[in-house]
Amino acid sequence: ETGVTQSPTHLIKTRGQQVTLRCSSQSGHNTVSWYQQALGQGPQFIFQYYREEENGRGNFPPRFSGLQFPNYSSELNVNALELDDSALYLCASSTPGGAYEQYFGPGTRLTVT
Amino acid sequence: QKEVEQNSGPLSVPEGAIASLNCTYSDRGSQSFFWYRQYSGKSPELIMSIYSNGDKEDGRFTAQLNKASQYVSLLIRDSQPSDSATYLCAVYSGAGSYQLTFGKGTKLSVIP
Repeated sequence: ETGVTQSPTHLIKTRGQQVTLRCSSQSGHNTVSWYQQALGQGPQFIFQYYREEENGRGNFPPRFSGLQFPNYSSELNVNALELDDSALYLCASSTPGGAYEQYFGPGTRLTVT
Repeated sequence: QKEVEQNSGPLSVPEGAIASLNCTYSDRGSQSFFWYRQYSGKSPELIMSIYSNGDKEDGRFTAQLNKASQYVSLLIRDSQPSDSATYLCAVYSGAGSYQLTFGKGTKLSVIP
């Protein structure tokens, strides 16, 4: 069974740029959630995708957007990067229909300078 | 605003002792509760889930849930230095919210 994978591992961007992060869900999981984890904080929910539709969104501005593909992989796009966007971005996949037992990928460390 | 509160620690226990980690949550309608372990520089790893009142044991780990008190805890028996990590409490409120709400985590240090 393949676990959740994310790419890239690390990324350095300049303020104002755009970034795309990628996630492949665990085998058999069709629900993908994205979280942002700032240093010393718990993960904060960005949004969730189920059957290629956004299935809930946290308190993040519209410049955070996403996609889910037919193979259940997902992308997180962030436009107009700000310094405060520097964080660990985590993708989690779960079994059909809800938030039960979410399994995280290794994360993407984004640094905005 | 749904909140999950944890003592940030650090919590230091000697090797072989019982570590007790606590978590309270604000949404009385919460349905599912999870404990994640996060080593420094790594992503969270799910170690326990609990859905009904009482205790749930898995190896050296015991999760305890008291919905009336809105309280969930994690006990780690025979603590090992490899248990040193940050432990995150997460709550799923259900009812279409779709998200996990996390506490800030408790840093555990097991002293050899």
